[in-house]
Amino acid sequence: GAVVSQHPSRVICKSGTSVKIECRSLDFQATTMFWYRQFPKQSLMLMATSNEGSKATYEQGVEKDKFLINHASLTLSTLTVTSAHPEDSSFYICSAPYREFYGYTFGSGTRLTVV
Amino acid sequence: KQEVTQIPAALSVPEGENLVLNCSFTDSAIYNLQWFRQDPGKGLTSLLLIQSSQREQTSGRLNASLDKSSGRSTLYIAASQPGDSATYLCAQRTSGTYKYIFGTGTRLKVLA
Repeated sequence: GAVVSQHPSRVICKSGTSVKIECRSLDFQATTMFWYRQFPKQSLMLMATSNEGSKATYEQGVEKDKFLINHASLTLSTLTVTSAHPEDSSFYICSAPYREFYGYTFGSGTRLTVV
Repeated sequence: KQEVTQIPAALSVPEGENLVLNCSFTDSAIYNLQWFRQDPGKGLTSLLLIQSSQREQTSGRLNASLDKSSGRSTLYIAASQPGDSATYLCAQRTSGTYKYIFGTGTRLKVLA
């Protein structure tokens, strides 16, 4: 089946530094990648949609300069959290549609802790 | 505003019980609805997907139904097992978009 590989699974960084999260589609081409954020005991909230070769579309309230998304190829999308602060600590997860009629496949998520 | 609500928020049952998880959505222009399982600190595992033209889907001990007119979906788990303990999320995709709107989740604990 379709697999999206997400790395790293856990990362701890200091305030003010940047962190990059990668999502790779292993056996299919992901022209679109969705990035979600999940705070403790809350549901997933869509942050942005990345499309290969074009600028990402951000949801209302998401700072595009803080959460940089790059989708340079059909198999790789990255989310960079710039100048991270403790309030950015969250669970980040990516998702890609692999067949129009079917659902989406999700990465395994990245637990980001900013200290 | 599109909203997806799940009831109950948490559920604890003894092993062997049949149980029903509920999902309500406000957007009638539904394309499909998907049920997921999420284990603590982990990603999502897709369980069942129901297209808007379907009324139910089954996989093993799981059965999901969809009633567009009432804006509801249910996930039925038969003969629950401790390994079923997880958070169950439903997510609605609206026609004309690729976005999924996720529900708030039901945290299930099956006691041995």
